[in-house]
Amino acid sequence: GAGVSQTPSNKVTEKGKYVELRCDPISGHTALYWYRQSLGQGPEFLIYFQGTGAADDSGLPNDRFFAVRPEGSVSTLKIQRTERGDSAVYLCASSLTGGATYGYTFGSGTRLTVV
Amino acid sequence: SQQGEEDPQALSIQEGENATMNCSYKTSINNLQWYRQNSGRGLVHLILIRSNEREKHSGRLRVTLDTSKKSSSLLITASRAADTASYFCATDEGGQNFVFGPGTRLSVLP
Repeated sequence: GAGVSQTPSNKVTEKGKYVELRCDPISGHTALYWYRQSLGQGPEFLIYFQGTGAADDSGLPNDRFFAVRPEGSVSTLKIQRTERGDSAVYLCASSLTGGATYGYTFGSGTRLTVV
Repeated sequence: SQQGEEDPQALSIQEGENATMNCSYKTSINNLQWYRQNSGRGLVHLILIRSNEREKHSGRLRVTLDTSKKSSSLLITASRAADTASYFCATDEGGQNFVFGPGTRLSVLP
């Protein structure tokens, strides 16, 4: 597609529930990133995919968070047993190649609210 | 971890004035980027400057990089109300992903 698409744009869930957030990157971009942004803060790195594999998952806060990119395009961020502290905007970005060489194209984000 | 720190945290100027935002970072970098974020929207890439570059221009934007001082500045000339947004610097810390600072909130008053 022309840009990075994230769905849903908003998600409200109850504490303890499981959620999946989807990212559809720009066609041909091999690198895909997930970031999380809390109100008034800068984006915080979660995970970086190069192709199908997670090249760096050091930003995932705990084992409740998991992400996949099985075919090297669409990625899904999965959060188990959600907590109120998980409430944030989850941003996805893609880049032509990895290695922090090129600028990122960001999606509009998914606003997750855990009640 | 937070690498870049923007300064000031908030800036309010009149339309037509120039806006300058600064970014300081701690470790060696290969690349530094500036992004803009309008309220509630995704980030928009503005400029990427490499460690061997000192200055880059794009339209009304001018970015400088001083690796000896580990700092960068973003200058927006002849500001417009539409420039109102948060601006973030992001550095690669020599690694594979970019680390963002907390941002500068710019308000351009008509």
